Amino acid sequence: QKEVEQDPGPLSVPEGAIVSLNCTYSNSAFQYFMWYRQYSRKGPELLMYTYSSGNKEDGRFTAQVDKSSKYISLFIRDSQPSDSATYLCAMSPFSGGYNKLIFGAGTRLAVHP
Amino acid sequence: DARVTQTPRHKVTEMGQEVTMRCQPILGHNTVFWYRQTMMQGLELLAYFRNRAPLDDSGMPKDRFSAEMPDATLATLKIQPSEPRDSAVYFCASGLILRTDPYEQYFGPGTRLTVT
Repeated sequence: QKEVEQDPGPLSVPEGAIVSLNCTYSNSAFQYFMWYRQYSRKGPELLMYTYSSGNKEDGRFTAQVDKSSKYISLFIRDSQPSDSATYLCAMSPFSGGYNKLIFGAGTRLAVHP
Repeated sequence: DARVTQTPRHKVTEMGQEVTMRCQPILGHNTVFWYRQTMMQGLELLAYFRNRAPLDDSGMPKDRFSAEMPDATLATLKIQPSEPRDSAVYFCASGLILRTDPYEQYFGPGTRLTVT
């Protein structure tokens, strides 16, 4: 069993829909949670990060962490065709300095006009 | 606009040949990572350098892969000899790790390697 599980999709939604992307994890030491977005033939880029439990909002994007369930989510409101990409969750134990990021497999999202 | 650069962007080679991939991290960053991405395995960490010293290469097949950082502006990943199962996209990422804060990794555009 992988430390981080993520449904690879693909997920296809119409423009304007609310999108929910999720990851589950098994390591209770994880405290630092990130979402990366990767466009086709590009490198991943950091979208959002959260520390410990709770919600974080940035424009149309909301990241949620439920440590009791070992479950994290990324919500995209009013989805746009430009949101079409692969979304990877990543996580690590928090402490200063280096911590290896463990990535999910990525969920491919397609938003059609 | 500072960014990580990687060369070559694409490489097709025959089994048994040596492959060298290069990465120029963002100026001022003290960490460099090499990842491999495949459909089956996703994004896997191969090696990690901090202040040019290799600190973690546990994800790298030692018999054929080697990673070096000859200076602060260049990191290399070599495969010798290459095998078809090495076909993947190889990403370099750099970051600035401080003692207290989480950090962001900035990824390059990747090298798409095909070994026939």
